[in-house]
Amino acid sequence: DAGVTQSPTHLIKTRGQQVTLRCSPKSGHDTVSWYQQALGQGPQFIFQYYEEEERQRGNFPDRFSGHQFPNYSSELNVNALLLGDSALYLCASSGGQNWDTQYFGPGTRLTVL
Amino acid sequence: AQTVTQSQPEMSVQEAETVTLSCTYDTSESDYYLFWYKQPPSRQMILVIRQEAYKQQNATENRFSVNFQKAAKSFSLKISDSQLGDAAMYFCAYPTGTASKLTFGTGTRLQVTL
Repeated sequence: DAGVTQSPTHLIKTRGQQVTLRCSPKSGHDTVSWYQQALGQGPQFIFQYYEEEERQRGNFPDRFSGHQFPNYSSELNVNALLLGDSALYLCASSGGQNWDTQYFGPGTRLTVL
Repeated sequence: AQTVTQSQPEMSVQEAETVTLSCTYDTSESDYYLFWYKQPPSRQMILVIRQEAYKQQNATENRFSVNFQKAAKSFSLKISDSQLGDAAMYFCAYPTGTASKLTFGTGTRLQVTL
């Protein structure tokens, strides 16, 4: 049973560029959440996708956008990258019900130069 | 706003000993879940244990157990017979909202020494 997968593992971009991160949920899960984890901090919720719609959004600017595909996989897009966007981006999948346990992928480390 | 507080930035325990990590949270809800996640240097966030607030019994998973004090809004994690592989950052987390977004504490770094 494959767990949550994310690609790429590492990414280096320069300020102003755009980036796309990808996530495939655990088998049987239909909900994907994205989190940003800055160095030395706990993860911060970016948004969640369910049934191809954004269900809830955290306190992140519109430069952060996402998409969910019919197979439940998801993308996180970040436009006009800033140095402060450098972080570990974690994807988590769950069954979609309230308080369902979220299972995390290995993360994508984004460095903005 | 819901908050999760982990007051111990770092803890150290000797192999085979027991250690307790603290977590307090703030909520006005009566029914909810709480989680402990472990993040080793490999970065992947791994579920350690989950507690349902409506259950009186404290959750247990092998060497990991919780001490859940609902009235005090306290949710500590006890690790028994500590092993070198337990060394990691440990995060307490609480889900809120329609999407059950997780609010995490700032984490406790656990070192395990020989």
